[in-house]
Amino acid sequence: AQSVTQLDSQVPVFEEAPVELRCNYSSSVSVYLFWYVQYPNQGLQLLLKYLSGSTLVESINGFEAEFNKSQTSFHLRKPSVHISDTAEYFCAVSVDNAGNMLTFGGGTRLMVKP
Amino acid sequence: DAMVIQNPRYQVTQFGKPVTLSCSQTLNHNVMYWYQQKSSQAPKLLFHYYDKDFNNEADTPDNFQSRRPNTSFCFLDIRSPGLGDAAMYLCATSRGGGLEYEQYFGPGTRLTVT
Repeated sequence: AQSVTQLDSQVPVFEEAPVELRCNYSSSVSVYLFWYVQYPNQGLQLLLKYLSGSTLVESINGFEAEFNKSQTSFHLRKPSVHISDTAEYFCAVSVDNAGNMLTFGGGTRLMVKP
Repeated sequence: DAMVIQNPRYQVTQFGKPVTLSCSQTLNHNVMYWYQQKSSQAPKLLFHYYDKDFNNEADTPDNFQSRRPNTSFCFLDIRSPGLGDAAMYLCATSRGGGLEYEQYFGPGTRLTVT
């Protein structure tokens, strides 16, 4: 079975500073990786995903994540955060034989301070 | 706007008193999912429907049941809620069951058991 670990439960950062949210996974088969964001009082929204091809994937709002197979990681980064990025971020994994079933990490709360 | 709607947003029930949570979607998606998210934990898949085909996760307690009377609606029934069932319940939908199909989440229902 696969699992996902998000090492930081909370990440405080000042506005315009860079940020990295860490995600590591374990699986014995090929994986597909996702980052979801949950703003206060809202549902989860897909931020970006890696299915195949380039290991560096980007979102429309400046986030990027890199799939690193040797380190079993899929860390999320942004070079300059905004107050509006304050939210809970979930890393998730799916495996080849599980269709669209997602296994989530415990989440990281990003708190952007002015 | 097409969306996933969950009612109610907050539900309080008594220990042992059956409760039903509701999810509806205007996306006309084939697949509907129910997740349980306990405080500071990852969302955990309980079950999902592909059209009328019900798929239960192996470790979902028998206390949890689901109904999908039509494409638009899906219900989560908790027959005898215990204190340990207090959680956020998330409904999600996807067009199909493959990895290329994004899951769209509702805002969740927070269940309190007294």
